Amino acid sequence: QVQLQESGPGLVKPSETLSLVCSVSDFSISSDFYWGWIRQPPGKGLEWIGAINHSGKTYYNPSLKNRVTISVDTSKKQFFLNLTSVTAAETAVYYCARSLNYLLQMEVWGKGTTVAVSS
Amino acid sequence: QSVLTQPPSASGTPGQKVTISCSGSSSNIRGNFVFWYQQLPGTAPKLLIYRNNQRPSGVPDRFSGSKSGTSAFLAISGLRSEDEADYYCATWDNSLSGPLFGGGTKLTVL
Repeated sequence: QVQLQESGPGLVKPSETLSLVCSVSDFSISSDFYWGWIRQPPGKGLEWIGAINHSGKTYYNPSLKNRVTISVDTSKKQFFLNLTSVTAAETAVYYCARSLNYLLQMEVWGKGTTVAVSS
Repeated sequence: QSVLTQPPSASGTPGQKVTISCSGSSSNIRGNFVFWYQQLPGTAPKLLIYRNNQRPSGVPDRFSGSKSGTSAFLAISGLRSEDEADYYCATWDNSLSGPLFGGGTKLTVL
């Protein structure tokens, strides 16, 4: 049964780069799925950040496009999120997820990791 | 304020039927599939409905989705205490060229 696990620093300074890893267990990351990132600020709703497909094509939220990079390392069964120039407003729980057929058909999620942006 | 508008809250008593709406526009809901997610307190979201009205394996048939014009609806029948959660709609927006989530609806089972 596929499992996703987010990892990364729990604290990032303003203006620096947020970097997270999603490790995929019991499933081939090379399969025909989308691998994506979603975030949720404390007490607020969900925001889709972006995704990457099995062939490396990326899809980004237009509002974040200039600052976000999603990549994959199939040999390590991991995919990555880099978000540059973060602000305090980007303090959130960051989730990784696997989508089938459509970007928004996110049928497997990680438990999420909390990232605080603060000096 | 989200482009997809959901009521902030909804409530019902056990056994009742509750419907949560998601109001959008011709650039999003009208021409695109709608997805619904359930988020229990302190947990990751869970896919509840995909492609407007399809249920993933394991989702009870008490949950159903529909779409009409620029609005989508999530209906929960036979309400149970464990249905108390936040519910989010999501769809693609052609104008923004990206996916959107609604603001979420907090369902309380009285």
